[in-house]
Amino acid sequence: SYVLTQPPSVSLAPGETARITCGGSNIGRKSVHWYQQRPGQAPVLVIHYDSDRPSGIPERFSGSNSGNTATLTISRVEAGDEADYYCQVWDTSSDHYFVFGPGTRVTVL
Amino acid sequence: QVQLQESGPGLVQPSETLSLTCAVSGYSISSDYYWGWIRQPPGKGLEWIGSFYHGGSPYSSPSLKSRVTISLDTSKNQFSLKLSSATAADTAVYYCARHRWGSSGNFDYWGQGTPVTVSS
Repeated sequence: SYVLTQPPSVSLAPGETARITCGGSNIGRKSVHWYQQRPGQAPVLVIHYDSDRPSGIPERFSGSNSGNTATLTISRVEAGDEADYYCQVWDTSSDHYFVFGPGTRVTVL
Repeated sequence: QVQLQESGPGLVQPSETLSLTCAVSGYSISSDYYWGWIRQPPGKGLEWIGSFYHGGSPYSSPSLKSRVTISLDTSKNQFSLKLSSATAADTAVYYCARHRWGSSGNFDYWGQGTPVTVSS
């Protein structure tokens, strides 16, 4: 099955830029979607199709995807951005179809 | 506004069937989207369980396929999950969500989630 890798955690101060990576074999050929999950809440789609923001998502959230790495960037990090972030792709190689990364915990110091 | 709401028992006996329902409002489940289930064990990540499209066939994760049944009730605009032979490993928060199929398949609307514990 297709495997996605993410760093377990990222810590940064308010105002800094968070870059969360999602690694996978030739992931640049796939559409990558990103979710934010605040503690005790359901996931929220923050980036779809590599770099598009759904309605209502701040411009501070952006994404890119190339080669073997997709990246979610959060500019000018705020306390409210503290959450777990998951990448997700579609893969048919083993019928698992919807594959999620293990998640990255973003901590705002 | 599309809204999804899960419901079902919070406690399931081992070897019994875990049954959940997702009520959808603001959108017809007979329209152009898939309806799926995702779960999250305590302290762990997200796992896709399975999905259904009105007029189509259900799909489920290979690791759960033999135990999963997903169905739609268009008259009530809701869909259901049944997971048979439950074990402690099935303890998780269960989410229902709307999505498209294929490479454009992201989950754009989610329920709030319902915790299920499998224990005697």
